[in-house]
Amino acid sequence: QVQLQESGPGLAKSWETLSLTCSVSGSSISSYYWNWVRQSPGKGLEWIGYIYYSGMSTYNPSLKSRVTISLDGSKNQFSLRLTSVTAADTAVYYCARDPGMGTARGHFDYWGQGMLVTVSS
Amino acid sequence: EIVLTQSPATLSLSPGERATLSCRASQSVSTYLAWYQQKPGQAPRLLIYDASNRATGIPARFSGTGSGTDFTLTVSDLEPEDFAVYYCQQRSNWPLTFGGGTKVEI
Repeated sequence: QVQLQESGPGLAKSWETLSLTCSVSGSSISSYYWNWVRQSPGKGLEWIGYIYYSGMSTYNPSLKSRVTISLDGSKNQFSLRLTSVTAADTAVYYCARDPGMGTARGHFDYWGQGMLVTVSS
Repeated sequence: EIVLTQSPATLSLSPGERATLSCRASQSVSTYLAWYQQKPGQAPRLLIYDASNRATGIPARFSGTGSGTDFTLTVSDLEPEDFAVYYCQQRSNWPLTFGGGTKVEI
């Protein structure tokens, strides 16, 4: 059974860097596309970006200047790094799998349970 | 980016009734549209992809139709566990975008 689990600090300070990790079990990270999606009351669901095991990544232009997604195949994990955070980045952050192999399918068949990250000054 | 508008915002129904949810795209997305169900405190669950294909394990009472800019999710014969928020999401253009959601309540 495929399972994803987010981990990391639940609190970040304004203008600092938010870092989260997604641990994947039941599915090799050396296949598929691995995504981050966030959900906030103000902006609803927002796709952040994805990474493929080859290292190829694509980001939402609205966040591109501040986002890095990386992958550690030896640990079957991938990570999100978001710099210079503000209160607007307060959200539940989800990791999710795109079932595409070779080509991204553009939808998400498995999700982590989500992690609330609060940005405070 | 493509904007998805869902209507109505809230749908009040009873178990056994049919729910008809709408998603309209700001430009054509062909059939590259997915639907998700989300319950409080849970992650979204994939119901439908590519407009009309049910995801693995999704009951037949969930069906999706549409192409271009207008899409419909139908939940026939609502079960108590179907009361939730439903989102559409397009994959036609990057960035991937979601609609604002429709809440199906009792």
